[in-house]
Amino acid sequence: EVQLVETGGGLVQPGKSLKLTCATSGFTFSTAWMHWVRQSPEKRLEWIARIKDKSNNYATDYVESVKGRFTISRDDSKSSVYLQMNSLKEEDTATYYCTGLGAPYWGQGVMVTVSS
Amino acid sequence: DVVMTQTPPSLSVAIGQSVSISCKSSQSLVHSDGKTYLNWLLQNPGQSPKRLIYQVSNLGSGVPDRFSGTGSEKDFTLKISRVEAEDLGVYHCVQATHVPFTFGSGTKLEIK
Repeated sequence: EVQLVETGGGLVQPGKSLKLTCATSGFTFSTAWMHWVRQSPEKRLEWIARIKDKSNNYATDYVESVKGRFTISRDDSKSSVYLQMNSLKEEDTATYYCTGLGAPYWGQGVMVTVSS
Repeated sequence: DVVMTQTPPSLSVAIGQSVSISCKSSQSLVHSDGKTYLNWLLQNPGQSPKRLIYQVSNLGSGVPDRFSGTGSEKDFTLKISRVEAEDLGVYHCVQATHVPFTFGSGTKLEIK
């Protein structure tokens, strides 16, 4: 059974940092290209980052609004993908999902609230 | 960025009816590898999104064949034949051809 479990969310003040973890099982993680997608309180979905696999040099891509602030990474030995979020802004408030996007895996999501 | 225009924003249908949802992109979604990375997702109330269709017309594993996807280039359609109660929720199209990947605004399907 495929499982993706996100952790690390919570309430944080603007300007602070948070690191999300997505622990996976049930599929061949090492060859999967993994993504983070967020859903705003208004329920709009936004893709924010992707990391490719080792054969593609773990290349990463980001949406412009998080470039320089967020970093996606992975640990194939732990079948996990991470999202380091720095300099958080109120507009980063959302539910964050890790997903294979084009592949049939989505986590249950983790809420991040940025507020003073 | 590629803009995905999804219509209608909402639908109310009776069980057994058929419906179509449109998704139009601001540029061609044909990737340099020749494939078209247009997917359809369903988000049931209170749940995470789940993949229904990938690469325009390929049905995901376990997805009923009442769902079908068609289209090419910039114009795509999701059709649900014989709607069932479990189909309620929000349908999203997403393009994964051009970075940044982008989503449509969603179509909320309600059951009459």
